Parts: sequence; structure tokens; C-alpha cells
Amino acid sequence: AQKITQTQPGMFVQEKEAVTLDCTYDTSDQSYGLFWYKQPSSGEMIFLIYQGSYDEQNATEGRYSLNFQKARKSANLVISASQLGDSAMYFCAMREALKGGKLIFGQGTELSVKP
Amino acid sequence: DAGVIQSPRHEVTEMGQEVTLRCKPISGHDYLFWYRQTMMRGLELLIYFNNNVPIDDSGMPEDRFSAKMPNASFSTLKIQPSEPRDSAVYFCASSFPDSSGNTIYFGEGSWLTVV
Repeated sequence: AQKITQTQPGMFVQEKEAVTLDCTYDTSDQSYGLFWYKQPSSGEMIFLIYQGSYDEQNATEGRYSLNFQKARKSANLVISASQLGDSAMYFCAMREALKGGKLIFGQGTELSVKP
Repeated sequence: DAGVIQSPRHEVTEMGQEVTLRCKPISGHDYLFWYRQTMMRGLELLIYFNNNVPIDDSGMPEDRFSAKMPNASFSTLKIQPSEPRDSAVYFCASSFPDSSGNTIYFGEGSWLTVV
């Protein structure tokens, strides 16, 4: 069965430092997509970054990068040069393309950036 | 461009009342998802549609919940009768058929409180 695991309920990072948020997944499909979303205290879900299972290079979007290790089934999010505005919940999600687009989420990691 | 539009943004209702949440997906998107978010259970997929047809409703908690998509531009999630444990944020999201990350968009959510 499709499953996403985020083992860090909460993380702290000093402003301007880098932080890695962990995500592992389980699927039997060969074709799938991995996503990270940010949810600030205001509640909206903000898309950050995407990695396809066949993408050979790790995805990057500005200060966000996705450390994709397919053999280990991990898709960690790296935020470089943390800012106070990065304090939020972060969700990892997976969509199995072969199963009609179902998108499931991990439990989330709450990131707090300290000044 | 208009994003996914949900209404109402906030609703407070009494136990036993009927609640109807509405969603207008992004034009051209043919997948629509309904999620529920609570502190205890995180983000749960309730149901999703493809081309207005329900594909997977295994996440719908019980018969009190129903969802419809009468056309490509409108969907409803109904709870009848509502109970206090239904209090949550309900998100609608829409996407194109492939698993490209940039094409999954969330609405701002409907915050439901049942007293």
C-alpha cells in the first residue's frame, strides 16, 4: 500500500542555517511523483517542489532542494539559508501516476526558525 | 488566474445540522480532491474525482458524508447530520491528469466547527 512517513514531528533551526526535513515513502509502482508542501499558521497549502520518479537530477526551486534517493525510497527536503518566514508545517506527499492520481500526505514536520 | 475557490471559508453550525461545502476547481483541471485536516489525523483524502466521476471514496468516514461533482466546474461535500467530531479544515484541490507537481493546487480551505 502507498505510504508516506515523516519521522520528525518538530524541528528547530537557526536563522540562515540549512535544515533537512526527512521523508520516506513506500510504493510498488515505478511511476510516481513526490511533493513537498508548506502550511503556514494561516492554513493555506503552498506547493514547494516536485520530483518525478524518473527524474535523474534532484529537483531545486530557489532555496528548496529535494534530496531524492530512489533506492532508499527517501525524498528529503533541504531548505538553505533559513528565514523566519520558513517557520511552518511541512508535508511530504506522493502521487502514484498509475493509480489515477491519488495524492497522499505524510503527518508533517513543524519547523521553527530561531532568530 | 483564479485558483481553487472554496466556500464558505468559515462555518459554525450546531450538531445535527446539514453542512454543505463548495468547491470550484481551476478551469481545465479534470481531477478534484477533497481532504480533511485535523490535529489528530493529519491530512486525510476523503474522495477524489476524475472527469466528474468519483474514483475513490474509501476515505469518506461514513454515510453522513457525501460528495458530488455535477459538472467540471463545481463540487460539493455534504455532511448530514453533522457531529462535533466533524470539526476540521476541509480542503479542495484540483489538478491535471499527470503527476507533474506544478499542477496540483489547493483552495484556502473551509474551517468547520460543529458545536
